[in-house]
Amino acid sequence: GAGVSQSPSNKVTEKGKDVELRCDPISGHTALYWYRQSLGQGLEFLIYFQGNSAPDKSGLPSDRFSAERTGGSVSTLTIQRTQQEDSAVYLCASSLDGLSSYEQYFGPGTRLTVT
Amino acid sequence: AQKITQTQPGMFVQEKEAVTLDCTYDTSDPSYGLFWYKQPSSGEMIFLIYQGSYDQQNATEGRYSLNFQKARKSANLVISASQLGDSAMYFCAMRGYFGNEKLTFGTGTRLTIIP
Repeated sequence: GAGVSQSPSNKVTEKGKDVELRCDPISGHTALYWYRQSLGQGLEFLIYFQGNSAPDKSGLPSDRFSAERTGGSVSTLTIQRTQQEDSAVYLCASSLDGLSSYEQYFGPGTRLTVT
Repeated sequence: AQKITQTQPGMFVQEKEAVTLDCTYDTSDPSYGLFWYKQPSSGEMIFLIYQGSYDQQNATEGRYSLNFQKARKSANLVISASQLGDSAMYFCAMRGYFGNEKLTFGTGTRLTIIP
């Protein structure tokens, strides 16, 4: 079956602009996670959705970052007024459910470059 | 808080030899899961193996096994009969449950298999 998909695969934006990153989880997976991977910070958790609710937003680095999930499926991560330090690969993952399921399956990521 | 430590930034191993990648962890959660992911140069995160904190036996998946020593808080990955395609970054990760479902990653080990 289809894996986790993310779009766009690459995004170059100017400092100060807003960007939206999209994640399509594996069909039937109720848990969805956003992480980011950068050279300086490694792999960092951003936010976790169970269904359409986000019980853990503790990793969002500032109020410029927000995310939503609709219909228990697609999720959008929005970064407002982008800064150069936002440049990273943004990874989305899903799992069957967040409470008991084991592995998280990752998408290919969106490489964001802020110039 | 959860913490994963991978002390080997890079390793070089001869093809067909076995290799052990080290991982130690720290957590106050009574129940947790330990994971290993592989990230080839293409960038995708590939799930390799999972070990639950209450599992009595070490997990195995094909050529991968997880040497779990709970008292020492270590979860080393063993790859038997290494292949050229095993060259990649390897990340150890852990998650808790009931409010701590996110993955916390180590800094990774870059494994290079030498023909």
